[in-house]
Amino acid sequence: AQSVTQLGSHVSVSEGALVLLRCNYSSSVPPYLFWYVQYPNQGLQLLLKYTSAATLVKGINDFEAEFKKSETSFHLTKPSAHMSDAAEYFCAVSEDFNKFYFGSGTKLNVKP
Amino acid sequence: DVKVTQSSRYLVKRTGEKVFLECVQDMDHENMFWYRQDPGLGLRLIYFSYDVKMKEKGDIPEGYSVSREKKERFSLILESASTNQTSMYLCASSLNLAGYEQYFGPGTRLTVT
Repeated sequence: AQSVTQLGSHVSVSEGALVLLRCNYSSSVPPYLFWYVQYPNQGLQLLLKYTSAATLVKGINDFEAEFKKSETSFHLTKPSAHMSDAAEYFCAVSEDFNKFYFGSGTKLNVKP
Repeated sequence: DVKVTQSSRYLVKRTGEKVFLECVQDMDHENMFWYRQDPGLGLRLIYFSYDVKMKEKGDIPEGYSVSREKKERFSLILESASTNQTSMYLCASSLNLAGYEQYFGPGTRLTVT
């Protein structure tokens, strides 16, 4: 089975600073990769996904992620954090039609 | 716009009660999923369904059952609620296509006392 590791359960950045949230997966074949965001007491919303096209994927709200096969990583970045980015972020991996594996989540805190 | 709705946002039940959580999607998706979310554990799959009346166990099916009588509706049943089932429950749906994302409902926060 797949495993998804998100390094850092809590990340804190200042407003305007770079956001970097890390995700590593265990698949030996290129999987499908996703980042989701969850605001308090809400469901998950898709930020972006990688499906074997360009390795640099752009998502909503200026987030982007880069697929690095050699590192089995799919880290999420944003050049400049905004207060509204404070939320929990989940990395997910899928190898087939209906099996998804989620990381344990990273809570992003944005300081004024 | 894609929509997944869940019957309740917050629910409080007593130990031993039978609990029904309902999920409805309006996107004609084949796949539907039930997860529970607990702090530090991420999302854990309880059951999923890939077609009407079809279901498969996920990683933590014990104490739960599901029902899918219509394509758009997927119900999670706690036969006899226990305090360790206090959690956030998330429903999701997706097309049966490789690489297709899941769409999530708003969640039901269940407290069993």
